[in-house]
Amino acid sequence: GESVGLHLPTLSVQEGDNSIINCAYSNSASDYFIWYKQESGKGPQFIIDIRSNMDKRQGQRVTVLLNKTVKHLSLQIAATQPGDSAVYFCAEDSSGGYQKVTFGTGTKLQVIP
Amino acid sequence: DAGITQSPRHKVTETGTPVTLRCHQTENHRYMYWYRQDPGHGLRLIHYSYGVKDTDKGEVSDGYSVSRSKTEDFLLTLESATSSQTSVYFCAISEQDLSSPLHFGNGTRLTVT
Repeated sequence: GESVGLHLPTLSVQEGDNSIINCAYSNSASDYFIWYKQESGKGPQFIIDIRSNMDKRQGQRVTVLLNKTVKHLSLQIAATQPGDSAVYFCAEDSSGGYQKVTFGTGTKLQVIP
Repeated sequence: DAGITQSPRHKVTETGTPVTLRCHQTENHRYMYWYRQDPGHGLRLIHYSYGVKDTDKGEVSDGYSVSRSKTEDFLLTLESATSSQTSVYFCAISEQDLSSPLHFGNGTRLTVT
């Protein structure tokens, strides 16, 4: 899961296995959620988003699950590849524009070849 | 990288000197943002723009100013750099201000000595 500490939590996964990265969000009024991937030395890259009227959304090899009851978001990556190694973080939007968006600090995914 | 160029990519400057970071986009998006990214913190919004000459403050705007004279360019200025402004700065763009993903540049690493 995500942390506000200085050291990012790390998830180590064997190549080919599935990865699950978790995010606990804070604002029950948030109605739009986004997952970003950030590789070393690069800017965050949009992966997938979900609106609060859904509880699951699938993309290519990625699935986002939303549990509004416990304010929990997860990103599942199928058949994890070395290129998936990066920091992943979620963002929550309470429809107040980007001045109201909160970004998590991230989870580092390490793929073991 | 969604047609976003940040310059310079790296800069070292001394305390008290002015610094200007540039963001250039080729997507013709209306909304542009400046964030800073520091260990232990999620991305934090410094300033944003919702059109030419239309800007507003974000969460951590003290010590920073911005200008947007053309749709494609958004400048961030540190009038008198301080060591607390050592950070990685990201520019982002979006088509809408609400419920749409951000697209980020690759960042400027600024060190204030």
